[in-house]
Parts: sequence; C-alpha cells; structure tokens
Amino acid sequence: DAGVTQSPTHLIKTRGQQVTLRCSPKSGHDTVSWYQQALGQGPQFIFQYYEEEERQRGNFPDRFSGHQFPNYSSELNVNALLLGDSALYLCASSLRPPDEQFFGPGTRLTVL
Amino acid sequence: GDSVTQMEGPVTLSEEAFLTINCTYTATGYPSLFWYVQYPGEGLQLLLKATKADDKGSNKGFEATYRKETTSFHLEKGSVQVSDSAVYFCALINTNAGKSTFGDGTTLTVKP
Repeated sequence: DAGVTQSPTHLIKTRGQQVTLRCSPKSGHDTVSWYQQALGQGPQFIFQYYEEEERQRGNFPDRFSGHQFPNYSSELNVNALLLGDSALYLCASSLRPPDEQFFGPGTRLTVL
Repeated sequence: GDSVTQMEGPVTLSEEAFLTINCTYTATGYPSLFWYVQYPGEGLQLLLKATKADDKGSNKGFEATYRKETTSFHLEKGSVQVSDSAVYFCALINTNAGKSTFGDGTTLTVKP
C-alpha cells in the first residue's frame, strides 16, 4: 500500500514566479491537508480539501491556492513567490472526520 | 485559537538516559493528541497518539499520557538510543476544526 506521495522532491524558483506542487493521498483517504514548514519550525496549516472543496484555511494569503481532483489527489499553487516562501511543503491525508494524518516526504521549495 | 507549546531544545543525552519532552496545549473541545518524529531530510512519522483523557499512547519504547487536567501530553522514554536522534513534534487535531496544530519541535541528540 503506497503511502502519501509528493512531487517534485525539490524545486528552485525565482521571486515572482509561480509554482505547483502535487500530492497523492494514501489509499482509501479522501481528505488532503497542506502544511508549510520553515526551517527550524513546526508545520503551519495552509488549507484542507475534502470533496474537491477547500474546507479549512489557515492564516495564509490568497497567493496560496489549491485544488482537489475526483481521485482525491491535490495540488498546491503559490503565485508571485517571495523569498519567505522557501520552506518544506508537506501534504497529509486522512479520512473525514479527520483524525490521524499520514504525511508525505514533502517538497523542498527554494526561492531565489 | 488552538496552540501547542513544547519545551525548548535542543536536548542532548547520553545513550540509555531517561528522556522527557514536555508538551502542553490549549484547545477548545476535546482534541486528539499526537507525537511525530522527523529525521533529517524526511517528512513526519507518527510516533504515538491518544484520543481521549487518560489514554496512554505508546510505540517503540516511547510513551505519553493525555492529561486533561493539566492540558499536557509529555513524551517519555526510559532508555534512549543513538538512533532516537531526531526532531520531535507535539501536535493536536481539533476535530471540530479539522486541522492539526503543531509545536515548534524539540531536537534530540543522543551521544554514544
């Protein structure tokens, strides 16, 4: 049983560019949450998708947007990248109502 | 809003020493509590969990008890090994809100 997978593993962008990160949830899971983990800090909740709709959102600007597809996979889009967006982006999947979340290995985004 | 406070690190111990990492939380309702471990360059792995007051989660020699009266979920291990060196995160899921809130993490280094 494949766990949560994320792509790409690493990504380098420049300020002002746009980026799309991808996540496939654990088999049987229908809810995907995205987190941003800056160096030396704990993960910060960005948003959560269920039934192809954003259900919960953390304190992140509208530059951060997402999408969930009918097969439950998800994308995270970040527009107008800033240096401060450099972080590890983690995807987690779970069942509704959410309890235990399973995390993917993350995508390391570097903004130059 | 919800919050999780972990003891500040880093923590350095000798092999076979006793480990305690303190964690306290603030949340509405009755959250589920978790400890995650993160090894260098990797995503988060669930270490243990507890879903109601007085529950004890345990795994790989680690234990933590959900204490509602003190709003705490301290992580303990009787005899640490070099392989336990990692960053440990305390987290809660507020089932009303459906999102996870993490502490800032505690870095543990175990020396031979």
